[in-house]
Amino acid sequence: NAGVMQNPRHLVRRRGQEARLRCSPMKGHSHVYWYRQLPEEGLKFMVYLQKENIIDESGMPKERFSAEFPKEGPSILRIQQVVRGDSAAYFCASSPRGRGGGGAFFGQGTRLTVV
Amino acid sequence: DAKTTQPPSMDCAEGRAANLPCNHSTISGNEYVYWYRQIHSQGPQYIIHGLKNNETNEMASLIITEDRKSSTLILPHATLRDTAVYYCIVRGSMDNAGNMLTFGGGTRLMVKP
Repeated sequence: NAGVMQNPRHLVRRRGQEARLRCSPMKGHSHVYWYRQLPEEGLKFMVYLQKENIIDESGMPKERFSAEFPKEGPSILRIQQVVRGDSAAYFCASSPRGRGGGGAFFGQGTRLTVV
Repeated sequence: DAKTTQPPSMDCAEGRAANLPCNHSTISGNEYVYWYRQIHSQGPQYIIHGLKNNETNEMASLIITEDRKSSTLILPHATLRDTAVYYCIVRGSMDNAGNMLTFGGGTRLMVKP
């Protein structure tokens, strides 16, 4: 059973370009979470999605950032008109449905560098 | 999510048990205690979780006090590869919307030869 797959692992963009980060959850997982980790800082929650629905986007910057989790295909975190401050590691996690506790499992992240 | 308090750093000798404490005095009855770790530059790794009973798996043991206000993660025989930041997180059940994991500062565990 493959883990959470994120691609690309490394992404370099020039200021003003768009960045698209992809996340394929573990098989059978219908919940996806995106986190951002700035250099030398902790993990900050960005957005929580279920298939075709955004459940909580309280951690998303109000402009330039969007996320989706379509019925088919991976979840996408999209950053428009990137700036240097967007340089960070972006981690995706997935978890299954169901009552009770259940761990969320993380991918290895996409490291975005804006030059 | 209830807040957790962890020491910022700890050292442990290789081969010895590492005991990482966590205080979560405001935890509510339906909230679980989760432990994750992040080895440098990698994605966070799930270790273990529990509600009120002690738990053990191939990685670690989790001891939760009877009043559930604190817990201890035990790595029975620490190795150099266990050097990482360890996060204790309190989280509600899966059915709740917005039940994301909220990461605090964690404990930076340094395993020394």
